[in-house]
Amino acid sequence: GENVEQHPSTLSVQEGDSAVIKCTYSDSASNYFPWYKQELGKRPQLIIDIRSNVGEKKDQRIAVTLNKTAKHFSLHITETQPEDSAVYFCAASDSGSARQLTFGSGTQLTVLP
Amino acid sequence: GAGVSQSPSNKVTEKGKDVELRCDPISGHTALYWYRQSLGQGLEFLIYFQGNSAPDKSGLPSDRFSAERTGGSVSTLTIQRTQQEDSAVYLCASSLDFGEQYFGPGTRLTVT
Repeated sequence: GENVEQHPSTLSVQEGDSAVIKCTYSDSASNYFPWYKQELGKRPQLIIDIRSNVGEKKDQRIAVTLNKTAKHFSLHITETQPEDSAVYFCAASDSGSARQLTFGSGTQLTVLP
Repeated sequence: GAGVSQSPSNKVTEKGKDVELRCDPISGHTALYWYRQSLGQGLEFLIYFQGNSAPDKSGLPSDRFSAERTGGSVSTLTIQRTQQEDSAVYLCASSLDFGEQYFGPGTRLTVT
């Protein structure tokens, strides 16, 4: 089955700096890669996703890149703000028989004012 | 419209007791998922329902865990003879076919 590794487990950045979180996956059949943000005590919420037919996707300060050959994808947050502080999870799945998401272990991002 | 709801929000039970956790998906969403999130950990897939198809139970950790989805809507996750290692937040999510998964607020289960 799919295995998703996520690094780093914790990340602290100064407000205004960029943050990068990286994930690798094992199943070459995976073709859908969402990123979820989970604030303390709240439910995970999708912030951006990418499908395997594109290499990069941007949404304002957030971007995701995908390297299918190397089987890794990354989340980039620019001009970080304190409200970006949360746990971020990457995930991977294939659209075969089920859209079963395999999640990474999460990254606790802290943006220091 | 209304999002995914789960009940109860918190459940404390004694070791060996059975518990039932409920999930109400977004109306019209055909896919429903259960995940488990242990403290400081990622989300562990448990089971998936899609329409009238047989559920994908590949993530259930033991035969003490089971789930049903009645009428293609509400789902119940049942844990029999609970153990302390079952303590976690149980999250339900729903999606329209294979679209974005929307998560519920979770049920925090504590087994004493």
